[in-house]
Amino acid sequence: DTAVSQTPKYLVTQMGNDKSIKCEQNLGHDTMYWYKQDSKKFLKIMFSYNNKELIINETVPNRFSPKSPDKAHLNLHINSLELGDSAVYFCASSQAGGRTYNEQFFGPGTRLTVL
Amino acid sequence: DQQVKQNSPSLSVQEGRISILNCDYTNSMFDYFLWYKKYPAEGPTFLISISSIKDKNEDGRFTVFLNKSAKHLSLHIVPSQPGDSAVYFCAARRISNFGNEKLTFGTGTRLTIIP
Repeated sequence: DTAVSQTPKYLVTQMGNDKSIKCEQNLGHDTMYWYKQDSKKFLKIMFSYNNKELIINETVPNRFSPKSPDKAHLNLHINSLELGDSAVYFCASSQAGGRTYNEQFFGPGTRLTVL
Repeated sequence: DQQVKQNSPSLSVQEGRISILNCDYTNSMFDYFLWYKKYPAEGPTFLISISSIKDKNEDGRFTVFLNKSAKHLSLHIVPSQPGDSAVYFCAARRISNFGNEKLTFGTGTRLTIIP
């Protein structure tokens, strides 16, 4: 019973195309995230949603648009794909911790390759 | 600006010995430090955390030490087991002025346990 799932696992596409990655969590968490792991292995936060509202939006090109239809889903849509978008994208979820740290649960990742 | 650094990209340790993974940080605003473990083709999984007000946290074979004056933390695994072979990410949490939680990750250390 997968806690955080992402589809697809692999995505190969041409430059200029538009693609989406879907994420779902069945943990009842109120916060979801998108991370990007680039070729240098940096794992960086892109977006964070709490109760369907955007709360963190790092310096990400506006070609990237997250959409949260409900608390259990956070999808990532990417327009006009560029070579530099090739990376592994991880979705994660957690219960907002406040004073304490509540672990973030990560999905298995989506490897995006732009040709 | 790399606020969390793991200077050793890889480490090999004999089974049964102690593994020590190191991490340095620069931002004094971090209030929690975490270690995540990652197997190939999977998402990172939470291992252990430590609050910035503590200097040690232990969970079974895993112990994290925090030296705030040196802005340094380390993860000790003892005894090391073959299943510990994975990439270990150090991460640090900061709470923004708006109460949002943000994790900053290091680039990871690949630990190989030699049977």
